[in-house]
Amino acid sequence: SAVISQKPSRDICQRGTSLTIQCQVDSQVTMMFWYRQQPGQSLTLIATANQGSEATYESGFVIDKFPISRPNLTFSTLTVSNMSPEDSSIYLCSVQDFNQPQHFGDGTRLSIL
Amino acid sequence: KQEVTQIPAALSVPEGENLVLNCSFTDSAIYNLQWFRQDPGKGLTSLLLIQSSQREQTSGRLNASLDKSSGRSTLYIAASQPGDSATYLCAVIVRQGAQKLVFGQGTRLTINP
Repeated sequence: SAVISQKPSRDICQRGTSLTIQCQVDSQVTMMFWYRQQPGQSLTLIATANQGSEATYESGFVIDKFPISRPNLTFSTLTVSNMSPEDSSIYLCSVQDFNQPQHFGDGTRLSIL
Repeated sequence: KQEVTQIPAALSVPEGENLVLNCSFTDSAIYNLQWFRQDPGKGLTSLLLIQSSQREQTSGRLNASLDKSSGRSTLYIAASQPGDSATYLCAVIVRQGAQKLVFGQGTRLTINP
């Protein structure tokens, strides 16, 4: 299966700032996704990152708060904008080829002070 | 709205025991069901994928069953080992193509030597 690298692995940020998380895959994949795992909660899909076009966001998530880029078939970024303590979570990137299971990166552990 | 529940939230057993983790979902209109493990500080590792037309899947000491009509799945772990200690997550796949996974909150499993 694909090897997925996320950067940074963890960060501590001040409220009101923004952080961009990178997801790099070692092979071309059809689809890339971003998930959030809040403390003590299950994973929730934020959006599907579409190559060369705007991401597809799930209910409750908006582009202004979570802008996503996907310039090619191996790379995507998620920005968490204007952060507040409620944004403290693990953010995970996953990848999928058509009709294959999704595979996940190790995640980015984000704390907001 | 699909909701996934995992019981128990935490489980501690002595090494060598066989055990069962439970997953239930509210809407039987799912495509597939997937079990993952999550180790502390790590991402998700896919364990088993059960397609909606299947009733069970086996991999080594793991066996997962699926009963769509009753909205239930179980993960059976035989002859448990300390290395099995992790959080186990159940996810139902509610959309084909660009899959959308809906996760339970997980069962935190501890195997005591």
